[in-house]
Amino acid sequence: AAGVIQSPRHLIKEKRETATLKCYPIPRHDTVYWYQQGPGQDPQFLISFYEKMQSDKGSIPDRFSAQQFSDYHSELNMSSLELGDSALYFCASSTGRAHTEAFFGQGTRLTVV
Amino acid sequence: AQSVSQHNHHVILSEAASLELGCNYSYGGTVNLFWYVQYPGQHLQLLLKYFSGDPLVKGIKGFEAEFIKSKFSFNLRKPSVQWSDTAEYFCAVNAGLRNQGGKLIFGQGTELSVKP
Repeated sequence: AAGVIQSPRHLIKEKRETATLKCYPIPRHDTVYWYQQGPGQDPQFLISFYEKMQSDKGSIPDRFSAQQFSDYHSELNMSSLELGDSALYFCASSTGRAHTEAFFGQGTRLTVV
Repeated sequence: AQSVSQHNHHVILSEAASLELGCNYSYGGTVNLFWYVQYPGQHLQLLLKYFSGDPLVKGIKGFEAEFIKSKFSFNLRKPSVQWSDTAEYFCAVNAGLRNQGGKLIFGQGTELSVKP
């Protein structure tokens, strides 16, 4: 079965650079969620999109932005990277129905040096 | 605000021992409850979920969990752990609303180490 695809799997950037993470949801899933998991931490919800519109916002820094495109894939753009942005970034997708589960991608490990 | 609390940060067991990981949540409305497992450096895998119905749910790899509404708890159990169960375990909750399926509040995680 198709799963959530994230790219790239690993990314190394320098401070103050920009990074773009991509997420391709499971086919027919219209909702995408982004999470950040720092070392030894639990995943923290950043932002979500439903039908290409932002549906919810969590603890996402102003330096980050995201969008969902017409094919439902999503991109997380991160600017002015800081050392503290080093983390595992997960994308998850689900249908918009209530009482449903989300399926997680493999994650992108971002290292800022 | 919603919150999820896992009581054990690090649990060390020998193979064949029984496991119970505690999870309590704070939320006033209808919730969906999940347990995820994360092997080192890997993504989150769903172990089991509770939406409604029988409060005792069975998941993959021999895990089960019991939802006790009066205690706001959703503890994870396994009768006999294996070395391959060594991983981090996260309890999570969502609000069970439309378009909220993936907006999860996670607990702090419990690191399980199983000694062979």
